Amino acid sequence: EVQLLESGGGLVQPGGSLRLSCAASGFTFSTYDMSWVRQAPGRGLEWVSSISASGDTTYYADSVKGRLTISRDNSKNTLYLQMNSLRADDTAIYYCAKEDGSNFHYWGQGTLVTVSS
Amino acid sequence: DIQMTQSPSSLSASVGDRVTITCRASQTISSYLNWYQQKPGKAPKVLIYAASTLQSGVPSRFSGSGSGTDFTLTISSLQPEDFATYYCQQSYSTPYTFGQGTKLEIK
Repeated sequence: EVQLLESGGGLVQPGGSLRLSCAASGFTFSTYDMSWVRQAPGRGLEWVSSISASGDTTYYADSVKGRLTISRDNSKNTLYLQMNSLRADDTAIYYCAKEDGSNFHYWGQGTLVTVSS
Repeated sequence: DIQMTQSPSSLSASVGDRVTITCRASQTISSYLNWYQQKPGKAPKVLIYAASTLQSGVPSRFSGSGSGTDFTLTISSLQPEDFATYYCQQSYSTPYTFGQGTKLEIK
């Protein structure tokens, strides 16, 4: 059974940093592209970033480029999102998602990031 | 960036009704269109991918159609568990973009 378990969310001040993790199990992690998708409170879904199976290629939404960095450790079956220079509009639930044939096939339960002073 | 526009934004319907949600892309995306269902407090789950392929385990009352720029999600006979928010999403090119969502409520 595919499982994705996010962690690392919490309350951070504007300008601060957080690192989110997503522990994957139930599939061969190193063979799938992975993504982060976020959802601000009461709002819709916003794609944040994707990374290729090998980790060689990354993509970012313009709204996070230069501040958020996606990475993965295939030896630990873990996806990461390093979040720097956080702003109030980064407040959201952050979901990690397993890609399969260009869709977000499985999602974690999400971790809440709140940026506030 | 490719903009995805869903309509309607909200919809009231009754159990047993046939419901159609539409999604329009700002440029052609071939069949790179996915539909997700999200219930309150839960992560989204994929219903339909590649415009018309039903995800394993999803009831056959859900169907998708379209290609190019215009797509539809149809629920043939609404069940109580179908009341949720639905999103379309293009996977043709990054940035991957979602529609704004359609909230399906009980009449």
